[in-house]
Amino acid sequence: DQQVKQNSPSLSVQEGRISILNCDYTNSMFDYFLWYKKYPAEGPTFLISISSIKDKNEDGRFTVFLNKSAKHLSLHIVPSQPGDSAVYFCAASGVDYGQNFVFGPGTRLSVLP
Amino acid sequence: DADVTQTPRNRITKTGKRIMLECSQTKGHDRMYWYRQDPGLGLRLIYYSFDVKDINKGEISDGYSVSRQAQAKFSLSLESAIPNQTALYFCATSDPRGGLYTGELFFGEGSRLTVL
Repeated sequence: DQQVKQNSPSLSVQEGRISILNCDYTNSMFDYFLWYKKYPAEGPTFLISISSIKDKNEDGRFTVFLNKSAKHLSLHIVPSQPGDSAVYFCAASGVDYGQNFVFGPGTRLSVLP
Repeated sequence: DADVTQTPRNRITKTGKRIMLECSQTKGHDRMYWYRQDPGLGLRLIYYSFDVKDINKGEISDGYSVSRQAQAKFSLSLESAIPNQTALYFCATSDPRGGLYTGELFFGEGSRLTVL
């Protein structure tokens, strides 16, 4: 059973609007979360992270929100740009995982001009 | 040049053949990882190594083996490839910087393996 879930395989958004990508996790021992972005024929690249001691982290157009009680996090991209079109992976880690990360299945974001 | 380099980038082989995927890095990181990506399953950890003398099994190590030849080199082997090992394989590195979590893995560009 997947411990990190991204229930939307794909998402389409108009350029300039907000993109919201969601991630749910089942293991309450996870305490560190990351988002990676992947373009075709390239490896994933780190985008933004959040620790469980925070509920929000911002980096430019990207903001990650964490709701620990709901075991839910979301990535907001505002404004969305065509270059943001990629697959986004949510990843989680915790003490039980020996400093390794469990990845979700990914959400493919398409930003339409 | 890429900081994390994987070879080969693409490989087609037959069931039962031995395959080696190689990874080298110029980032100077001690930690190296092999992940496998399958559609709908995300990235799953096969093996990881926190230094040259440390090798650990990940979530899906059965059917795979690894060798950490040097700080900069980490190879993944499939001793007898089978069709369900057809996947995209990624090598990654990280740098703990004295903390528990680095928050960042640096990935290679991937090796696409097809087992017929």
